[in-house]
Amino acid sequence: GQQVQQSPASLVLQEGENAELQCNFSTSLNSMQWFYQRPEGSLVSLFYNPSGTKQSGRLTSTTVIKERRSSLHISSSQITDSGTYLCEGTGNTRKLIFGLGTTLQVQP
Amino acid sequence: GGIITQTPKFLIGQEGQKLTLKCQQNFNHDTMYWYRQDSGKGLRLIYYSITENDLQKGDLSEGYDASREKKSSFSLTVTSAQKNEMAVFLCASSTISNERLFFGHGTKLSVL
Repeated sequence: GQQVQQSPASLVLQEGENAELQCNFSTSLNSMQWFYQRPEGSLVSLFYNPSGTKQSGRLTSTTVIKERRSSLHISSSQITDSGTYLCEGTGNTRKLIFGLGTTLQVQP
Repeated sequence: GGIITQTPKFLIGQEGQKLTLKCQQNFNHDTMYWYRQDSGKGLRLIYYSITENDLQKGDLSEGYDASREKKSSFSLTVTSAQKNEMAVFLCASSTISNERLFFGHGTKLSVL
């Protein structure tokens, strides 16, 4: 089965609302990353976060590696935040495991 | 900073055709990856390489060949394109410890 569960699968927000995206892994991990995929397909790394909390502007990532989970919080969402958010984990095998993503749509 | 360049950006092929996708990185990263992304299926690993001339099969290697002749480049060959196939192929690179992963902009494949 799928080793990475992302929730929700899709989310529609009104501009200004906050979002909480979750990522849960079924295997042990050494590190975690969050990516943003633009509507045209290119991927941008948001956070490399093996543990703890990191913040960048309106985005906050919290990883609890022992519990195999990570979250991405988006505050005061903007229309330009629309796209797909992917989480990725790296385990001892060094193979990277991706979730299916959360598709976010922010409406005016 | 560095960049990963994938060529071509768009690739249209004929059924049965052999097609090659190229990827160049100037991060001086050791590890490079090829992923395939289909709608609703997430990213699936085709091949990866941890150093020059190394090749490791991913979950989706059947139907593909790869080549890592230089540290900076990693190419992927679709050995026989399937009719109506449509997917995005993403190249990525990272340090040997996988501290951070960087992606190219992708190659969109359509097979007629």
